[in-house]
Amino acid sequence: GNSVTQMEGPVTLSEEAFLTINCTYTATGYPSLFWYVQYPGEGLQLLLKATKADDKGSNKGFEATYRKETTSFHLEKGSVQVSDSAVYFCALIISGGTSYGKLTFGQGTILTVHP
Amino acid sequence: GAGVSQTPSNKVTEKGKYVELRCDPISGHTALYWYRQSLGQGPEFLIYFQGTGAADDSGLPNDRFFAVRPEGSVSTLKIQRTERGDSAVYLCASGPWPGASIGYTFGSGTRLTVV
Repeated sequence: GNSVTQMEGPVTLSEEAFLTINCTYTATGYPSLFWYVQYPGEGLQLLLKATKADDKGSNKGFEATYRKETTSFHLEKGSVQVSDSAVYFCALIISGGTSYGKLTFGQGTILTVHP
Repeated sequence: GAGVSQTPSNKVTEKGKYVELRCDPISGHTALYWYRQSLGQGPEFLIYFQGTGAADDSGLPNDRFFAVRPEGSVSTLKIQRTERGDSAVYLCASGPWPGASIGYTFGSGTRLTVV
């Protein structure tokens, strides 16, 4: 089956620190990969995506590269801000077949950034 | 509307009662998904609608759970004889088509508490 594994949280950083949240996956077929973010009191929002190997998704200073050889999609940001405090979810979709485009999520990583 | 609307935002019910959770997707989105998010976990797939029909209900935990989308727009998730283990945040997401590479839009969820 399909699954996503994220690094254990929570992650606590000081403002302007470097962020990495690890994500690895197992999938039957060729997945598209996503990072979603959930800010306190809000719904899930798409942060970035990559649809094929070696693609790099980026948004709001966050980046992630689709690495087929290591089945990974690690999230990085060079300098975090307090406003980045949220829960981050790695997810995949398998195109076609009977997957019907449903997302498979990791368990989420809580990020807290202190001033 | 501008986003995915879910009502109510919070629902407290007694064990054994029946509840209905409503999802109003983005106008024109044919793909609609329900997910359940337990505390500290990532969202888990429940059911997928393409138009009016449930194309994949493999994630529904048992026959107490049922969902409809009679006109291909608003969807209702129905839970009979609620149990304390049903307590979770129920999320709805919609997209223009299944597996949309642009990602899906999520509602803010309904927090169900069974006491």
